Amino acid sequence: EVQLLDSGGGLVQPGGSLRLSCVASGFTFSTYAMSWVRQAPGKGLECVSSISGNAGTTSYADSVKGRFTISRDNSKNTLYLQMNSLRAEDAAVYYCVKTLYGGGDYWGQGTLVTVSS
Amino acid sequence: QSALTQPRSVSGSPGQSVTISCTGTSRDVGGYNYVSWYQQHPGKAPKLLIYDVNRRPSGVPDRFSGSKSGNTASLTISGLQADDEADYYCCSYVGSYTWVFGGGTKLTAL
Repeated sequence: EVQLLDSGGGLVQPGGSLRLSCVASGFTFSTYAMSWVRQAPGKGLECVSSISGNAGTTSYADSVKGRFTISRDNSKNTLYLQMNSLRAEDAAVYYCVKTLYGGGDYWGQGTLVTVSS
Repeated sequence: QSALTQPRSVSGSPGQSVTISCTGTSRDVGGYNYVSWYQQHPGKAPKLLIYDVNRRPSGVPDRFSGSKSGNTASLTISGLQADDEADYYCCSYVGSYTWVFGGGTKLTAL
C-alpha cells in the first residue's frame, strides 16, 4: 500500500524558515517524480515544486523561485522542501504528491504552514 | 505559467450528467496528453479521478470520464450522486517537470 507521510509544518514568523519532509512507502521511491502542491485557505491548488526520480531535474513555481528548495534522499525514501524567507502568502496546507507525467496518483495528508507574527 | 480556466461552479440534479471544462493553451492542455482531474471534499486531500486525459485509476467509477479537444479538456460525471458534491480541479503537464492546475470548480448536487 502506498503511503506518504508529510510533516514539518507549523507557525513561523515572516522571513523565517521551515523544512517539510515526506516519508514514502509502498513503492520504489527512486523511480518516481515527486511534487509539493499547496492550498491556501479557501483557495485552489498550486504546484509549488517538483523533482525527478534521480533528482536531476527540479522545477519551481515563480512564486517561490529563489526561496524554496526541493530535494530528496532516495536511500531514506524521503522528500524535502526547504522554505526560506517565508511570506504571509506562503501560508497553506502543503501536500506531498507521487507524480506521474499524467497526474498525481497518491497524496499525503497535508501539513499546515502558518506564517504570522 | 498561468492557471488553467475552469468555471467557478456547476450544478446538477441527482441522476443527471454534468460536464466541467478546463481551458488552457497549446503550451499546456493542447500540447500534451497529460491532463488529470481531481476531486476534493472539504478538509480532505485531493483524489485522482482521471489521468492521461481519459484514463481512470483503479477504483474510480466509470461514471467519471475525461476527454480533450484542442486546448480544452472536459470531465463528465454521469448519474450524478449526492456524494459527488465537491470541488474539482484539472491539471496539465507543461514540460520540464512542471504542472499547472485550474482554478477549481465547485459542483453542487441540487
